[in-house]
Amino acid sequence: GESVGLHLPTLSVQEGDNSIINCAYSNSASDYFIWYKQESGKGPQFIIDIRSNMDKRQGQRVTVLLNKTVKHLSLQIAATQPGDSAVYFCAENERGGGADGLTFGKGTHLIIQP
Amino acid sequence: KAGVTQTPRYLIKTRGQQVTLSCSPISGHRSVSWYQQTPGQGLQFLFEYFSETQRNKGNFPGRFSGRQFSNSRSEMNVSTLELGDSALYLCASSPRGGFGYEQYFGPGTRLTVT
Repeated sequence: GESVGLHLPTLSVQEGDNSIINCAYSNSASDYFIWYKQESGKGPQFIIDIRSNMDKRQGQRVTVLLNKTVKHLSLQIAATQPGDSAVYFCAENERGGGADGLTFGKGTHLIIQP
Repeated sequence: KAGVTQTPRYLIKTRGQQVTLSCSPISGHRSVSWYQQTPGQGLQFLFEYFSETQRNKGNFPGRFSGRQFSNSRSEMNVSTLELGDSALYLCASSPRGGFGYEQYFGPGTRLTVT
């Protein structure tokens, strides 16, 4: 199947700054997108999701932006904290709940500098 | 509400052996999905069970199988283990079937094949 990929494997930001993690997808049938955070030794933790009928969704300190024209997804984390250090994955599923499960990107490692 | 639990957390097996991993979903969740996570391939979908039936299957050989019980607990079995099966095996549960909804992951079972 088509893949979901991330632009940068590692992102280093200063504590207190905003972080932006990007994701490109290639499946035009993708309908549902999720961002997960995975800390060392733990399973992925849900952060925020968005459906293709929206272009922006906000949560607590996080915002997901979806640009369907260029098939691009981003996760913005406001006022980054040390606890935000983790690997972030985007995942997608196609319209109608595609039978291939969630397709995950390779992940971006977010490093917080003190 | 308790999260997704997986047992055992760590496992070491020898090539050629078989292994069974267990997953208990969040109470009330009827969908259980399994994923394999490796550094090289990332997170890949194995299969999904809903109401004791396998609904979807990823692109893995027949050595990988699973089942779901009436209480929604699920087991995954890998027969004739190969070195390449060393990975973190993650289970995720969802209140509804398909993948257009939030999935909650467990901590995973780290399988090492020697």
